[in-house]
Amino acid sequence: KQEVTQIPAALSVPEGENLVLNCSFTDSAIYNLQWFRQDPGKGLTSLLLIQSSQREQTSGRLNASLDKSSGRSTLYIAASQPGDSATYLCAVLGETSGSRLTFGEGTQLTVNP
Amino acid sequence: GAGVSQSPSNKVTEKGKDVELRCDPISGHTALYWYRQSLGQGLEFLIYFQGNSAPDKSGLPSDRFSAERTGGSVSTLTIQRTQQEDSAVYLCASSSYRQGTQYFGPGTRLLVL
Repeated sequence: KQEVTQIPAALSVPEGENLVLNCSFTDSAIYNLQWFRQDPGKGLTSLLLIQSSQREQTSGRLNASLDKSSGRSTLYIAASQPGDSATYLCAVLGETSGSRLTFGEGTQLTVNP
Repeated sequence: GAGVSQSPSNKVTEKGKDVELRCDPISGHTALYWYRQSLGQGLEFLIYFQGNSAPDKSGLPSDRFSAERTGGSVSTLTIQRTQQEDSAVYLCASSSYRQGTQYFGPGTRLLVL
């Protein structure tokens, strides 16, 4: 059974810092990995999707990397802003898990002005 | 539409009553998913629809839960004889194909008293 772990569970940083969020998964047989953000009381917003054949994806100040063989992904946020404060979730689509995404518990990020 | 929409946004019901939750996916998306997010449980997959294929119901927690998708578009999740443990946020997502980016709606917050 696929398990997804995110470290740290919570992170508080001053504005302007670069930061890294970590995600690990137990079964490397995946189709893709997706990073989301969730604001309080809201749904999920897709940030980046990395296919299993890719090593990284970039969107603006965000860069996500994937090391499939070691079961790890990182989300790098450059020059953090207070508006980046949210919970960040990673999720994997496994080759043997049918159609379901398996989610981590999330990292709650607070960027202080 | 521009994004996935869900209704109602909030629902309060009494234990034992039936509830219906609605999801309108992004136009043209053939894949539709239901997930549940509850405190202490994280995000759990419930059911997946892909075109005219039989749905993947493997995540439904009990036979009180059912879902249908009419005309390959709108989906309804029905919970019969609601229990207090059904209280959660029910999220719907759609994608253009099975391994594509999943786009989430804002969710329906269900409270069973």
